[in-house]
Amino acid sequence: GENVEQHPSTLSVQEGDSAVIKCTYSDSASNYFPWYKQELGKRPQLIIDIRSNVGEKKDQRIAVTLNKTAKHFSLHITETQPEDSAVYFCAAINYSGGGADGLTFGKGTHLIIQP
Amino acid sequence: DTGVSQDPRHKITKRGQNVTFRCDPISEHNRLYWYRQTLGQGPEFLTYFQNEAQLEKSRLLSDRFSAERPKGSFSTLEIQRTEQGDSAMYLCASSPKPSYEQYFGPGTRLTVT
Repeated sequence: GENVEQHPSTLSVQEGDSAVIKCTYSDSASNYFPWYKQELGKRPQLIIDIRSNVGEKKDQRIAVTLNKTAKHFSLHITETQPEDSAVYFCAAINYSGGGADGLTFGKGTHLIIQP
Repeated sequence: DTGVSQDPRHKITKRGQNVTFRCDPISEHNRLYWYRQTLGQGPEFLTYFQNEAQLEKSRLLSDRFSAERPKGSFSTLEIQRTEQGDSAMYLCASSPKPSYEQYFGPGTRLTVT
């Protein structure tokens, strides 16, 4: 089955600086890679995603890059703000097989924005 | 609110009791997933429905767990003879085929005493 590793487990950055979270996956058949933001006591919220036929995707201050050869994808947040503080999860899934195995998540990164 | 809803939001039960959770997906989303999340971890896949058919179950889903999705609408997850290790957040997510995005509900937090 799929295995997703996520680093770092905790990331502290100054407000206004950039943050980068990295994930690797093991199953080369995985073709969809979402990122979720989860605030304490709340549901995981989809913030950005990327499919395997695309190398990079950007949405305002958030971007995701994918390297299929290295089986590696990253989340980039620029101009960080206090409301970006949360736990971020990367995930992977093979939808070519129907998506029946569900998302495989990383262990999460606790992002702390220092004022 | 047109998002995924779950009921109850919190459940405290004694070891050995049965519990049932409900998930109402976003209207017309034909894919429905159940996940379990423990403190400090990412969600772990439990089971998947496409319409009313349960197509996949994780090895995490022991014989004490059963899930249904009658008529392809809401879904229920039942845990029989609960154990303390079942304490977790149970999350439901729905997805509109052929899109890939999964939208999560607020979860049901189960505490087994």
